[in-house]
Amino acid sequence: SQQGEEDPQALSIQEGENATMNCSYKTSINNLQWYRQNSGRGLVHLILIRSNEREKHSGRLRVTLDTSKKSSSLLITASRAADTASYFCATQETSGSRLTFGEGTQLTVNP
Amino acid sequence: KAGVTQTPRYLIKTRGQQVTLSCSPISGHRSVSWYQQTPGQGLQFLFEYFSETQRNKGNFPGRFSGRQFSNSRSEMNVSTLELGDSALYLCASSLARSGTTTKNIQYFGAGTRLSVL
Repeated sequence: SQQGEEDPQALSIQEGENATMNCSYKTSINNLQWYRQNSGRGLVHLILIRSNEREKHSGRLRVTLDTSKKSSSLLITASRAADTASYFCATQETSGSRLTFGEGTQLTVNP
Repeated sequence: KAGVTQTPRYLIKTRGQQVTLSCSPISGHRSVSWYQQTPGQGLQFLFEYFSETQRNKGNFPGRFSGRQFSNSRSEMNVSTLELGDSALYLCASSLARSGTTTKNIQYFGAGTRLSVL
């Protein structure tokens, strides 16, 4: 079963613009991760934020986590056409490495 | 270092048949997890193996099974295939299976796309 919801389900922007995706989850977590998937292929890990962290940066990516609201957001700055993909949040429970995924956001960056 | 390798990449089977999918994790990774991805249900956890033992299992019928070998390679088997089993099956490996470090990051293979006719 899905952990929660992501919104928007689809996002279309122009190159150079910023893209923000949101994720909500339902249970207590150890960490939250974001993955990217290109055209039904394997998932690529982007960034991990622990439950005791509020914000994390990696290159053009910025992730926030609000455990009181059980929500996270992923910001991609200065987007490129190569960023076109589906983006998934996934939570990891304290007890193991099982990932519970959100529904995903399909991002299209137009050149 | 080679990534996670899944074979075959594509499979076409008919209802009632069985299928075995293979996954070779990144060298040194002992945890292997399997996920099913469908347009309707999204990404769902099937099971996880660590040191040849199934540590965690998702909510799938007993037709779905798996195993892990001493070299950490893993296979999953689906018996008596149904049309609804058509999906992308993803394997992921990680260094550890618990804890609070980035050793929990999972590295995914390209997947096996199974079509059941």
